[in-house]
Amino acid sequence: GQQVMQIPQYQHVQEGEDFTTYCNSSTTLSNIQWYKQRPGGHPVFLIQLVKSGEVKKQKRLTFQFGEAKKNSSLHITATQTTDVGTYFCAGIKAAGNKLTFGGGTRVLVKP
Amino acid sequence: NAGVTQTPKFQVLKTGQSMTLQCAQDMNHNSMYWYRQDPGMGLRLIYYSASEGTTDKGEVPNGYNVSRLNKREFSLRLESAAPSQTSVYFCASSENRGRSTDTQYFGPGTRLTVL
Repeated sequence: GQQVMQIPQYQHVQEGEDFTTYCNSSTTLSNIQWYKQRPGGHPVFLIQLVKSGEVKKQKRLTFQFGEAKKNSSLHITATQTTDVGTYFCAGIKAAGNKLTFGGGTRVLVKP
Repeated sequence: NAGVTQTPKFQVLKTGQSMTLQCAQDMNHNSMYWYRQDPGMGLRLIYYSASEGTTDKGEVPNGYNVSRLNKREFSLRLESAAPSQTSVYFCASSENRGRSTDTQYFGPGTRLTVL
């Protein structure tokens, strides 16, 4: 079956630094979504990427979809304490209608 | 609008007990989903309902049953709870009007412990 892997599983970041988390699928995806889950909370939709090579920005967050539509990345610049949480990517395979979630990257920020 | 609501928020069961987790959405969405979240495992789909009157198995359906009671409500039942079903359960909904690009809106979750 389809697998979506995220690395790293944990990311300890000094406040103000940048970091990137990566998402890789075993199959070609129709689109990919990113969600953020704060500690004790529920996943909240951040963004969706559909086109090959697509890049989208939300303030300090930059999302990229790979050319082959099998991987994606989330880059956060100047990390803040409000960025704490777990970031999940979720892919829908071509001709599919169900999201497959990656294991998430749990981000901890050191002030 | 309340979005997606779930009851109860917390539950402790003994092995072999049964219970039903309730989920409702007020966004007039067609599709609804049940996920479980275990540490380090991300979210795994248990069952989903693409539209009112239909249900389908997800990745980890064993030990669960679902009912799409109407367009608003989608319940998850554990007939005989086992410790392996200790988890956080999330219900979600999406508009799903024939596109594969719908975002999902999650409820606050039910934290279930099976002793």
